[in-house]
Amino acid sequence: NAGVMQNPRHLVRRRGQEARLRCSPMKGHSHVYWYRQLPEEGLKFMVYLQKENIIDESGMPKERFSAEFPKEGPSILRIQQVVRGDSAAYFCASSPFGGDGEAFFGQGTRLTVV
Amino acid sequence: RKEVEQDPGPFNVPEGATVAFNCTYSNSASQSFFWYRQDCRKEPKLLMSVYSSGNEDGRFTAQLNRASQYISLLIRDSKLSDSATYLCVVKSSGSARQLTFGSGTQLTVLP
Repeated sequence: NAGVMQNPRHLVRRRGQEARLRCSPMKGHSHVYWYRQLPEEGLKFMVYLQKENIIDESGMPKERFSAEFPKEGPSILRIQQVVRGDSAAYFCASSPFGGDGEAFFGQGTRLTVV
Repeated sequence: RKEVEQDPGPFNVPEGATVAFNCTYSNSASQSFFWYRQDCRKEPKLLMSVYSSGNEDGRFTAQLNRASQYISLLIRDSKLSDSATYLCVVKSSGSARQLTFGSGTQLTVLP
């Protein structure tokens, strides 16, 4: 039973480009969370999704950021027109149906904007 | 006021020491509670869930006081490998069951 898989592990983008971060939850998990961690800071909630449904996006910046979790395939966090301030580690976590129980994290994607 | 507050530390303790971390949360409707640990530049890993009756896992003991909205983690007989950042995590109730993380408490166990 593979854990939460995130790819790529490292992503370098130039300012103005798009970044796509992927997250495949653990088998049997239908809820996905995305968090951002800036250097030397704590984890900040971004968005909480269920398959084909955004449950809570209160932590998402209003512009340039979007997330989806389609019926088939991984959850995608998309950042358009990246800026230097988007450089961070982006972690995905998944939890079982109903959202109860523990959440397990992927290894994260480290985005560097140059 | 932050939703989940922790003493950031750092806590520097000798091997074998007992160390306690505290955490308070503001949402009285919070439903589930956890401690995670995060090693430098790695993903958070679940350490243990926290139950109202208190629970123990080896050298680790977690306590929850719903009346005071307070969670604690006790580590006995500290090991060098316990050095990490410990994150208090609260899951809200209702449809928006997001996990809210405290900023973490940094622990360094010294030889």
